Amino acid sequence: QVQLVQSGAEVKKPGASVKISCRASGYTFTSYYMHWVRQAPGQGLEWLGIINPSGTTTNYAQKFQGRVTMTRDTSTTTLYMEMSSLRSEDTAVYYCAREVAVGNGALQYWGQGTLVTVSS
Amino acid sequence: DIVMTQSPDSLAVSLGERATINCKSSQSVLYSSSNRSHLAWYQQKPGQPPKLLTYWASTRESGVPDRFSGSGSGTDFTLTISSLQAEDVAVYYCQQYYSSPRTFGPGTKVDIK
Repeated sequence: QVQLVQSGAEVKKPGASVKISCRASGYTFTSYYMHWVRQAPGQGLEWLGIINPSGTTTNYAQKFQGRVTMTRDTSTTTLYMEMSSLRSEDTAVYYCAREVAVGNGALQYWGQGTLVTVSS
Repeated sequence: DIVMTQSPDSLAVSLGERATINCKSSQSVLYSSSNRSHLAWYQQKPGQPPKLLTYWASTRESGVPDRFSGSGSGTDFTLTISSLQAEDVAVYYCQQYYSSPRTFGPGTKVDIK
């Protein structure tokens, strides 16, 4: 079965960087677009960006341009999201998610989430 | 960017009654070549990731109970829970995947009256 298993919670100071991983299994890793979505405490869902199946193309929400980098390692079937210059407003649960299929961008499978806390 | 709005912000419905959530996009998310609206609905329970309910506005995801149905096209969409069950208490989000950024609605909280 499809599984997306994310790395554990992180606590970072303002200005630091964080890199979250999302290990995929149960399907052909190089056949699906992947997304990152975050959710601040008590808030709604916010889309961060998308990476293509081969990892050669990314598209980030304008708000995160220059601060977010998404990569994928096909040898370990792992997706990564790195965010720099962290501020308190970046405190949130970060999710990786897989599309239904190429051409269908609905998010069918989700990781369990990684809580990132930014605090001095 | 396509802005997604939802109404109401919250609603309370008696068990077994119908719940209706509306979602509106600031521009059409209908792909004319396929005649499909690029709109999904998700359910999120506390402490859990979102769960896909429907895509293409009205196609139910495998395993989702048939009391959940999506409808609409273009810019106006509806998620209907035909007979609310206790396990349906959650926040429901719509999302457009027509263009990036793939924006979500603000969510609608559904409770039992």
